[in-house]
Amino acid sequence: QTVVTQEPSFSVSPGGTVTLTCGLSSGSVSTSYYPSWYQQTPGQAPRTLIYGTNIRSSGVPDRFSGSILGNKAALNITGAQADDESDYYCVLYMGRGIKVFGGGTKLTVL
Amino acid sequence: EVQLLESGGGLVQPGGSLRLSCAASGFTFSNYVMSWVRRAPGKGLEWVSAISGSGSNTYYADSVKGRFTISRDNSKNTLHLQMNSLRAEDTAVYFCAKETGNTAMEHWGQGTLVTVSS
Repeated sequence: QTVVTQEPSFSVSPGGTVTLTCGLSSGSVSTSYYPSWYQQTPGQAPRTLIYGTNIRSSGVPDRFSGSILGNKAALNITGAQADDESDYYCVLYMGRGIKVFGGGTKLTVL
Repeated sequence: EVQLLESGGGLVQPGGSLRLSCAASGFTFSNYVMSWVRRAPGKGLEWVSAISGSGSNTYYADSVKGRFTISRDNSKNTLHLQMNSLRAEDTAVYFCAKETGNTAMEHWGQGTLVTVSS
């Protein structure tokens, strides 16, 4: 069974830049997987940041951007702010209507 | 403005059943694929199921296939998730989501808590 992989944790300094990645246990991520990215603080609803690899969802600041980096999807956050501290999830579309979440990355801003 | 409001969560015994609903407004409901996503305590998000705009195509994660049934009533702008043979590991907050295309979730409800426990 294919597993979607993410860094378990990451830290960034306020004002800094961080790149979170989303890979596959077997194979490479391409635009054909339509990678998407979500932010969730426990107790709140998820928030969609990016879909279709690099399309920002409505209202998402351009500090957030998506891309393919090597064999992985990537979420780049620039000018990190305190309220960016959250859990970040990627989703890959596996075809036939099936989506799979990565395990999530806990981002700390300090 | 897109609004999604889940209901139907609660406490149920292992082996029991529960039906979740999601009332949608602010968009043409029948034009969009809809999904259910859950987050178990201390764990990450998990995609559960999706249904096409017409309701003719349904999709399930392996973890719920054969136990959960997704459906929709386009005349009432409502999404449902019938959950049977519930297990402790189904305990989670369940979110409904409006999809963009058939590849990503775009708008989310606030969630409803399902607890499976004796």
